[in-house]
Amino acid sequence: NAGVTQTPKFRILKIGQSMTLQCTQDMNHNYMYWYRQDPGMGLKLIYYSVGAGITDKGEVPNGYNVSRSTTEDFPLRLELAAPSQTSVYFCASSYSTGESSGNTIYFGEGSWLTVV
Amino acid sequence: GEDVEQSLFLSVREGDSSVINCTYTDSSSTYLYWYKQEPGAGLQLLTYIFSNMDMKQDQRLTVLLNKKDKHLSLRIADTQTGDSAIYFCAERTGGFKTIFGAGTRLFVKA
Repeated sequence: NAGVTQTPKFRILKIGQSMTLQCTQDMNHNYMYWYRQDPGMGLKLIYYSVGAGITDKGEVPNGYNVSRSTTEDFPLRLELAAPSQTSVYFCASSYSTGESSGNTIYFGEGSWLTVV
Repeated sequence: GEDVEQSLFLSVREGDSSVINCTYTDSSSTYLYWYKQEPGAGLQLLTYIFSNMDMKQDQRLTVLLNKKDKHLSLRIADTQTGDSAIYFCAERTGGFKTIFGAGTRLFVKA
């Protein structure tokens, strides 16, 4: 029962460094998402994808890039890390349709990123 | 614009009922959700309700939806210390978008 798996769980980056957060899901979901959660705040959508080869910006895309070469994988890249990107990042996935499931979004366990 | 609001904190005694409230703005929402987040973990779906329903009950959980007032509530009966967590209200708007509230931190006192 893997569901949505994201790595790494914790990472400390220096300002200006780059890194990729990996995300994979084994539920054959066509929709995938990256959210960030800042302390005391709700989730903000960074990028999303409605299928392999298709990505689009969410509410807070600046400083990030994504790709979706396969249905399973949706990595998030930070090119030039900044302190403002210190946050908890959640990858998630869902079916696009399927009213019986309520179009439920399934989340990974989160990646804690600190930029110093 | 689209927004989901909920109070930030709720404190109850073990055995009491907890009621967490949420308001949303998009009248075209199709589904409304309650997610639970325990410390250091991701969000897990607790329950959801379709927008044409008024109530949904699932064991200790009761969801009430007032579509006219755009108000959603989650009642947890016989609240236990294991229910201490952050509870997120969310609405699925037209298309794919799901908007999350900031979360209500539930503290259960033994």
